[in-house]
Amino acid sequence: DVKVTQSSRYLVKRTGEKVFLECVQDMDHENMFWYRQDPGLGLRLIYFSYDVKMKEKGDIPEGYSVSREKKERFSLILESASTNQTSMYLCASGQASSYNSPLHFGNGTRLTVT
Amino acid sequence: SQQGEEDPQALSIQEGENATMNCSYKTSINNLQWYRQNSGRGLVHLILIRSNEREKHSGRLRVTLDTSKKSSSLLITASRAADTASYFCATDAAANSKLTFGKGITLSVRP
Repeated sequence: DVKVTQSSRYLVKRTGEKVFLECVQDMDHENMFWYRQDPGLGLRLIYFSYDVKMKEKGDIPEGYSVSREKKERFSLILESASTNQTSMYLCASGQASSYNSPLHFGNGTRLTVT
Repeated sequence: SQQGEEDPQALSIQEGENATMNCSYKTSINNLQWYRQNSGRGLVHLILIRSNEREKHSGRLRVTLDTSKKSSSLLITASRAADTASYFCATDAAANSKLTFGKGITLSVRP
């Protein structure tokens, strides 16, 4: 079974802090994604990566950056956390082309910025 | 931009009944997928239907796709309390292959 592991289930950070959310997958998937999920808004794509050291902006990249130094690891970085970034963050991975395969999700990180 | 829109937003049924959930989308797609999310957890893939398919089955799940109406339905037959979850449709737009999710349907199955 594919396993996508997010390093923290819950995080509480202060406004202005730099925050790292880590995601690791164990199935050698090329594609990795970061979504945020908010009530009434569903899942929104922040960033995605189709290969090591490669990244593309999703629908809401402002205030975020990402890093993919190794194939199995995709990090989401909040350079200076703000209260409007309080949300559930979901990492996902998938094989080479998303229209050929489903996404596998981690269990999410619930981030609270105070 | 929201590609898929599920309908209804919430559905409450009795155990044993069938649950039908609908998804509409706006642009041409390569495929449409349905996912399930239990409270506080990540999404789990249920079923994928390609744009050239009209119907697909997996256990108690039946998915249909009507590309002329740009809509899909997910039918869960003989529902169980354990089916209580949120259900999302996701579309892979033909133009860019990004997977875009709808806002989800909350299904409650009463024992």
